[in-house]
Amino acid sequence: GDSVTQMEGPVTLSEEAFLTINCTYTATGYPSLFWYVQYPGEGLQLLLKATKADDKGSNKGFEATYRKETTSFHLEKGSVQVSDSAVYFCALKFTYHDMRFGAGTRLTVKP
Amino acid sequence: DVKVTQSSRYLVKRTGEKVFLECVQDMDHENMFWYRQDPGLGLRLIYFSYDVKMKEKGDIPEGYSVSREKKERFSLILESASTNQTSMYLCASSLVGNEQFFGPGTRLTVL
Repeated sequence: GDSVTQMEGPVTLSEEAFLTINCTYTATGYPSLFWYVQYPGEGLQLLLKATKADDKGSNKGFEATYRKETTSFHLEKGSVQVSDSAVYFCALKFTYHDMRFGAGTRLTVKP
Repeated sequence: DVKVTQSSRYLVKRTGEKVFLECVQDMDHENMFWYRQDPGLGLRLIYFSYDVKMKEKGDIPEGYSVSREKKERFSLILESASTNQTSMYLCASSLVGNEQFFGPGTRLTVL
């Protein structure tokens, strides 16, 4: 079945470091791909999305590119801040189906 | 902005009690979802609804039921709470084919 695999955490970085969180997917077609972020004590918020191959989603300095050839949607940010500390979820969705989420990656950024 | 609200942020119940978790969205979304979130397991879909009075089982429906009498409201019911239902419960809503918007979550503890 359709599924998402993301890198296990936790990830700990110093402020201004480069961030990559890997996400790969398994799907029989071409889903839309998403990154959600969950700050402590809150629900999930949509961070960015891409709906077709080679699309790049971006928001708040985060980017991810939909790579069909490697079935990947890695999340990147050039310079992380303490306020980026959160749990990040990769997800996929076909139009008339529910979303499939990865297990989540906890990021801690230290000053 | 879409607003999804959940009736309680924290709830403590005893084994065998009947538990109601309420979710309300204010954007006229057709679809509504209930997930549970557990460490290392990510989000798992319990039930979803694509219309009033309609419901579909997700991946882990056992021990749960749902009710959707009005478009904006989706209730999750634990008929007889058990300790293994201690978890974070997240409600979400969406338009057909679009990304999901999440509520803040209810952390349920069953003693």
